[in-house]
Amino acid sequence: DQQVKQNSPSLSVQEGRISILNCDYTNSMFDYFLWYKKYPAEGPTFLISISSIKDKNEDGRFTVFLNKSAKHLSLHIVPSQPGDSAVYFCAASASSGGSEKLVFGKGTKLTVNP
Amino acid sequence: DGGITQSPKYLFRKEGQNVTLSCEQNLNHDAMYWYRQDPGQGLRLIYYSQIVNDFQKGDIAEGYSVSREKKESFPLTVTSAQKNPTAFYLCASSNYRQGASGELFFGEGSRLTVL
Repeated sequence: DQQVKQNSPSLSVQEGRISILNCDYTNSMFDYFLWYKKYPAEGPTFLISISSIKDKNEDGRFTVFLNKSAKHLSLHIVPSQPGDSAVYFCAASASSGGSEKLVFGKGTKLTVNP
Repeated sequence: DGGITQSPKYLFRKEGQNVTLSCEQNLNHDAMYWYRQDPGQGLRLIYYSQIVNDFQKGDIAEGYSVSREKKESFPLTVTSAQKNPTAFYLCASSNYRQGASGELFFGEGSRLTVL
């Protein structure tokens, strides 16, 4: 049973446009959410996070939105750049669980075309 | 430069052989983790350790073993009992705090191929 779902395996956008990556979760105990970016043959790198006490967190071109009632979060990248092409993983945890309880989605491969 | 170093980056193994993947960190993190990634799959937790000389099974520990004799090191052994060992293995560390999730810092990964 997937607790964190990224239903789009891939997404393709034009350079300069907005990229929107979506993530749904089923566990209502999750209260901390992270996005990781991964290039081929490399380890994931942390991108941005959000706590359930917020509904938006922004860091430069990256914004994460959280809709708790819908159990949905999204990552917006504006404007998209070719260097953003990577696999993006959504992860979630309950604050009582610790980092070992992070649950990852299957990832969405973003391709930004020049 | 602080970080996590995994070695080797690529490894080939014959069926029936045990192999050990190295993971070293100089971030002074208490907690270390091993994940496995398969194509089209998320990261699945194999083992984790919150403190030296202690470790816990993750979701897919069968066929794997670990040790944590030093804070900096958390090697993973893929044993011959692991039925499908070909995968990309990721080591991570974090500042573990009881009851709180922290950001995971990942190494660059080790790709194991069983011939």
